[in-house]
Amino acid sequence: EVKLVESGGGLVLPGASLKLSCIVSGFTFSDYWMRWVRQAPGKGLEFIGEIKPDGSKTNYAPSMKGRFTISRDNAKNTLYLQMSSVRSEDTATYYCASLYDWGQGVMVTVSS
Amino acid sequence: DVVLTQTPVSLSVTLGDQASISCRSSQSLEYSDGYTYLEWYLQKPGQSPQLLIYEVSNRFSGVPDRFIGSGSGTDFTLKISRVEPEDLGVYYCFQATHDPYTFGAGTKLELK
Repeated sequence: EVKLVESGGGLVLPGASLKLSCIVSGFTFSDYWMRWVRQAPGKGLEFIGEIKPDGSKTNYAPSMKGRFTISRDNAKNTLYLQMSSVRSEDTATYYCASLYDWGQGVMVTVSS
Repeated sequence: DVVLTQTPVSLSVTLGDQASISCRSSQSLEYSDGYTYLEWYLQKPGQSPQLLIYEVSNRFSGVPDRFIGSGSGTDFTLKISRVEPEDLGVYYCFQATHDPYTFGAGTKLELK
């Protein structure tokens, strides 16, 4: 059974940093490009970025570049999203996904 | 950035009806390798998005054959031949041809 389980979300202060994790099982993680996508409350889906199977290349949406960093540890079957200088507009549910499967999402709330 | 315009924004149907959703791109989505990276997702209420169709017309494993994706270049369509209760939710198209990747704004499929 394929599983993607995100963690690390919660309430954070504006300007703070946060690192989300996504632990994957049920498929060969190291074979797949992986994505992060977010969804603000009541809004549509927004692509954050993706990372190549070996971790050597990343692509980001322009609005995320420079503040968000995607990385992976294939030995741990884990995908990461490092978020820095967060602002209120980063409040959203964050999903990790392969092409075929999505996690259940983790909520990040940025508020003072 | 590539803009994906989905129409209609919402669609009211009777169970058993056919439904059709359009996704128009501001640029051709055919990549230099000859493939067209256009995907369709369904997000049911309270759930993560789930992949329905990838590369325009390929149904993901387990997706019923009443879901049919078609199109080329800049014009794409998702047809649902006989709407069933489990088909209700928000449909998104997504392009992974041009960096940065982008989602359409979504089409809400609901009962009349």
